Amino acid sequence: SYELTQPPSVSVSPGQTASITCSGDGLGEKYACWYQQKPGQSPVLVIHQDSRRPSGIPERFSGSSSGNTATLTISGTQAMDEADYYCQAWDSSTPVVFGGGTKLTVL
Amino acid sequence: EVQLVESGGALVQPGGSLRLSCAASGFTFSTYDMHWVRQATGKGLEWVSAIGTSGDTYYPGSVKGRFTISRENANNSLYLQMNSLRAGDTAVYYCARAYSSSWPLDVWGKGTTVTVSS
Repeated sequence: SYELTQPPSVSVSPGQTASITCSGDGLGEKYACWYQQKPGQSPVLVIHQDSRRPSGIPERFSGSSSGNTATLTISGTQAMDEADYYCQAWDSSTPVVFGGGTKLTVL
Repeated sequence: EVQLVESGGALVQPGGSLRLSCAASGFTFSTYDMHWVRQATGKGLEWVSAIGTSGDTYYPGSVKGRFTISRENANNSLYLQMNSLRAGDTAVYYCARAYSSSWPLDVWGKGTTVTVSS
């Protein structure tokens, strides 16, 4: 089955840039999307089709993809961005695949 | 307002059955693929099932043969019938919509809690 790998945790200082990676075989040939989940809340889509932001998502959130890795970048990270982030892609063997999630700490 | 509201979560014994519901509003339900995603406490997101607009269904190996997803477009409702429940099925279950296959899950409900325990 298809797997997506994320680092368990990433730390960033307020105002700095945070990067969260997601790796999977041939991921660059598929679209990836990213969800933000804060404690006790449902996931929220923040990036789709590798780099597109849904309406209402701040411009500091961006995405990119190359080779086997998709990356979520948060520029000028704020305390409110502290959350768990999940990448997701699609595969012929499993319609929806999630990465294991990355806990972003802003300190 | 686009909204998904799950219900039906409960405490159930191992081997038991449960039916979850998801009420959709604020959009044309029949034109969207619908999904169930679960999350055990402190764990990541796990995709559980999907149903397309034509009624085609999809499951991961972990629930195939035990769970059945269905939809009732006339009532804007999504269902998940869960049989032969195990302790490992304990989780918050979310329903979510996607415009089509290979489109992101752009709207999620708040979830309903299923606990499988004796």
